[in-house]
Amino acid sequence: AAGVIQSPRHLIKEKRETATLKCYPIPRHDTVYWYQQGPGQDPQFLISFYEKMQSDKGSIPDRFSAQQFSDYHSELNMSSLELGDSALYFCASSLMGAGNTIYFGEGSWLTVV
Amino acid sequence: GQQLNQSPQSMFIQEGEDVSMNCTSSSIFNTWLWYKQDPGEGPVLLIALYKAGELTSNGRLTAQFGITRKDSFLNISASIPSDVGIYFCAGPGGGNTGTASKLTFGTGTRLQVTL
Repeated sequence: AAGVIQSPRHLIKEKRETATLKCYPIPRHDTVYWYQQGPGQDPQFLISFYEKMQSDKGSIPDRFSAQQFSDYHSELNMSSLELGDSALYFCASSLMGAGNTIYFGEGSWLTVV
Repeated sequence: GQQLNQSPQSMFIQEGEDVSMNCTSSSIFNTWLWYKQDPGEGPVLLIALYKAGELTSNGRLTAQFGITRKDSFLNISASIPSDVGIYFCAGPGGGNTGTASKLTFGTGTRLQVTL
């Protein structure tokens, strides 16, 4: 079965640069979530979209923005990168009304040097 | 905010042993999800629980949704080396049934299996 696809899997950026992560949800899923996981931490919710509209917002820095496009894929844009932004970024997707079951992608490793 | 506390934090067990871990919350959840995460990989959904008291199995895994809706446990029977990883419980924020909600993750239980 198709899963959540994230790209790139690995990304190295310098401080103050910009990075964009992409996420393709499971087909027919209408909700996309972004999570950030630092080393040894549990995933922290950043932001979510339902039917291309922002549905919830967590601990997402102002330097970050995201959107969901008409084909339901989503992009997380991160600007003015800081060393502390180095983390594993997960995208997840779900289908509204399907019991809150959320499926995660394999993650994108961002290293800021 | 909501917090999910998992115990134990870590476990070292021998292959073939049964494992039990639990998750407690300060507030009610209408759904409990259990995930396993390998290093550098995304959390993989193991079991989803939707009703208080529900007991669900997935192979060697069994999970139960507590009656109070504030706790859940996960059992792994006859552990094998590939069970190594971090196990997270998670619940949708706000406890709104039928709405897609962000997840609050538990603190995780790190499982290590020795031969």
